[in-house]
Amino acid sequence: DADVTQTPRNRITKTGKRIMLECSQTKGHDRMYWYRQDPGLGLRLIYYSFDVKDINKGEISDGYSVSRQAQAKFSLSLESAIPNQTALYFCATSGFGTSGRETQYFGPGTRLLVL
Amino acid sequence: SQKIEQNSEALNIQEGKTATLTCNYTNYSPAYLQWYRQDPGRGPVFLLLIRENEKEKRKERLKVTFDTTLKQSLFHITASQPADSATYLCALPRGKLIFGQGTELSVKP
Repeated sequence: DADVTQTPRNRITKTGKRIMLECSQTKGHDRMYWYRQDPGLGLRLIYYSFDVKDINKGEISDGYSVSRQAQAKFSLSLESAIPNQTALYFCATSGFGTSGRETQYFGPGTRLLVL
Repeated sequence: SQKIEQNSEALNIQEGKTATLTCNYTNYSPAYLQWYRQDPGRGPVFLLLIRENEKEKRKERLKVTFDTTLKQSLFHITASQPADSATYLCALPRGKLIFGQGTELSVKP
């Protein structure tokens, strides 16, 4: 089984709808992240959470909100979807391992189309 | 603020040649640097980590160098294969990992 899962994998929605993307991880890590990626562009950080009680905005948080329901679960919501939120969304988790260095593990992505 | 730069132009090379990708950073001194591989439509996958006191790290056909004076890391793939075609991202820790934009590598048979 995958360490980081995302649901749904694909989603088509209409402008103005509220949608939620879900992420679960089985690695036991405290840190979780949401990124978006547009064609030909790099990863852009939306929100991140260092533990269940910690939520932080990333570089492009406007129009998004998150919920950290448990150590293993981190959900991303689009309150009122708009077409320019059409993108590929990645969830990631990170741990420090025995080396003390952070390594990120990514989910398979959710492809979102807003009509 | 810190900045990470990777060559935005795609790198096209012939199979069997060595691919060299560059990651430059400014305004801080990371304790380590990482490289990730991303295939189209998929999440990045961790490849290698190199620490500030390591000049070079190898893993099979991959070699990473880390020059803290130049503030630069080079990522080499020797004897490249079409299966190495992907986007390669460098990442540095700054409270959390910060990713570069990535460089797309295309290896032609």
